[in-house]
Amino acid sequence: GAVVSQHPSRVICKSGTSVKIECRSLDFQATTMFWYRQFPKKSLMLMATSNEGSKATYEQGVEKDKFLINHASLTLSTLTVTSAHPEDSSFYICSAMRTQETQYFGPGTRLLVL
Amino acid sequence: AQKVTQAQTEISVVEKEDVTLDCVYETRDTTYYLFWYKQPPSGELVFLIRRNSFDEQNEISGRYSWNFQKSTSSFNFTITASQVVDSAVYFCALSEDPNFGNEKLTFGTGTRLTIIP
Repeated sequence: GAVVSQHPSRVICKSGTSVKIECRSLDFQATTMFWYRQFPKKSLMLMATSNEGSKATYEQGVEKDKFLINHASLTLSTLTVTSAHPEDSSFYICSAMRTQETQYFGPGTRLLVL
Repeated sequence: AQKVTQAQTEISVVEKEDVTLDCVYETRDTTYYLFWYKQPPSGELVFLIRRNSFDEQNEISGRYSWNFQKSTSSFNFTITASQVVDSAVYFCALSEDPNFGNEKLTFGTGTRLTIIP
């Protein structure tokens, strides 16, 4: 069964609003979670690494003020897309490290900004 | 810098045929991990396999098999007797840092596999 969940699975919002996406590890503790973005028919691009109890590490080119990441507990990380615009529309996927070598992925969240 | 190349963007085969998905990687590290993930139309990535750079043994899991060739920096994936349910996008990925706490995955561009009934 699924080991990582995401909520919501789909969200439609108006331009200028903020959207929060939750990522939960279901039956294990994850000190490290990752957030990816995937455009249609494209590969996954790592946005940031989320570490429990500390600030997230963002990849080059990702605006930290735009994409706020909080890893408040060992089973929950959140990604908030602030002041969303149509170009932020994408498929956002989180992952959690269950073992030292393997990431397990959530089902993804499709964001559409009108 | 690490890089993963999946030269086949799309492949279509008739059901029951065998199909091989290619993956070539580049890394400067001597220790690394290679992965294959399946992404069905629903979007969720399904973990298929992880291979340590020190383990060059080929692996078979049911209809799936993987061929790791360090000499050619390749980690190919073969599906035997393909089925319609195998239709998906398959990603090969590389991690250079297997140490706990900060593993980054570099993904290939994916191969869209369509199995024709």
